[in-house]
Amino acid sequence: GAVVSQHPSWVICKSGTSVKIECRSLDFQATTMFWYRQFPKQSLMLMATSNEGSKATYEQGVEKDKFLINHASLTLSTLTVTSAHPEDSSFYICSARKWNSMNTEAFFGQGTRLTVV
Amino acid sequence: QKEVEQDPGPLSVPEGAIVSLNCTYSNSAFQYFMWYRQYSRKGPELLMYTYSSGNKEDGRFTAQVDKSSKYISLFIRDSQPSDSATYLCAMSAGDNQGGKLIFGQGTELSVKP
Repeated sequence: GAVVSQHPSWVICKSGTSVKIECRSLDFQATTMFWYRQFPKQSLMLMATSNEGSKATYEQGVEKDKFLINHASLTLSTLTVTSAHPEDSSFYICSARKWNSMNTEAFFGQGTRLTVV
Repeated sequence: QKEVEQDPGPLSVPEGAIVSLNCTYSNSAFQYFMWYRQYSRKGPELLMYTYSSGNKEDGRFTAQVDKSSKYISLFIRDSQPSDSATYLCAMSAGDNQGGKLIFGQGTELSVKP
């Protein structure tokens, strides 16, 4: 199988604090991990692409300093929402692409629902 | 114009019906086509994966890709209430564009017993 575990599944934090979300590929090595954001009844919007050992590539309009991404190993990527505000409340989902995959098959975590109060 | 267009629905069908879900796209560089199923408050689950044009069948699910028309479809035969979910199409041009997946808006499907 190809299992991607995301933690926590939900989190509530106070405005101004930071929150870290972890994304782990449990049974495979991931060269690339993607971070998405999803609002209710809307599609997934790609925030950034992270490759192990290098800086993340952010999509246009996504603040690098606010959404810190670290991909320190082939099985772990983290997204830190810094100085969170209520408008950052959303469903955040990661996906991981297998090492040496000849295609773009990607497997998703279960998502993290962030609520900033 | 969005790169990938998908009718958001909602689509409601009786149990046992054949469901047809579709997406159109504008980027001729797309080569990889996927369908994901997403239950409420969960991450997307990969259902079907197709490279280039053609058909692919897996159980009750059939995926079709017509690159000449820039049109892809997912058919669900003998639909079940457990198929009720949001179905997202996704596409990629592969490493030429960083392996990014571009998603459709998702179609909300409800299968009534």
